[in-house]
Amino acid sequence: GAGVSQSPSNKVTEKGKDVELRCDPISGHTALYWYRQSLGQGLEFLIYFQGNSAPDKSGLPSDRFSAERTGGSVSTLTIQRTQQEDSAVYLCASSSQGLSGYTFGSGTRLTVV
Amino acid sequence: DAKTTQPPSMDCAEGRAANLPCNHSTISGNEYVYWYRQIHSQGPQYIIHGLKNNETNEMASLIITEDRKSSTLILPHATLRDTAVYYCIVRSNTGGFKTIFGAGTRLFVKA
Repeated sequence: GAGVSQSPSNKVTEKGKDVELRCDPISGHTALYWYRQSLGQGLEFLIYFQGNSAPDKSGLPSDRFSAERTGGSVSTLTIQRTQQEDSAVYLCASSSQGLSGYTFGSGTRLTVV
Repeated sequence: DAKTTQPPSMDCAEGRAANLPCNHSTISGNEYVYWYRQIHSQGPQYIIHGLKNNETNEMASLIITEDRKSSTLILPHATLRDTAVYYCIVRSNTGGFKTIFGAGTRLFVKA
């Protein structure tokens, strides 16, 4: 497709379970970013990838969070042993090299019950 | 990346120009000014960016002061659908590409 695709769009999980969130960036975009947004709050940076490598992991809130990107394309954000405070909308964005702006997906709304 | 300061909220009458200010007094020479907006329940949308010259596209105009310490996003004829949170960001295109989004300005366009 023409845009950034995220799946699932909604996820309800029980506390303590692991979840995987998927992001399909725009074809050819080398950079990929994960953010999260809690209800009524701004965007919190989590991690970005340049190709398959993640030079900046400083935003991951704890070691329960991990992310990978394979083939310079699809990325997966994994949250282990989910907690209620992990409930948020997880947004993925991609961009090409240089000055282009980010294109965001519609997000995955995660609810931990 | 330099930080930005924006008013938390603004109102605008439908059909009038919306002028959204942003202060970025610590911007450095290789940092660009970007604007995004986020309509309720959607992901942010890129609007426009610039370095030092004024820019215009089909969505908006960006006016950057000569000293580059502030800028204004102009929506020439605001509509109700322009009600959103508008984020002003400065970003370097060398080295890391991490972009930090602040709280933005919540623009209310009223009929």
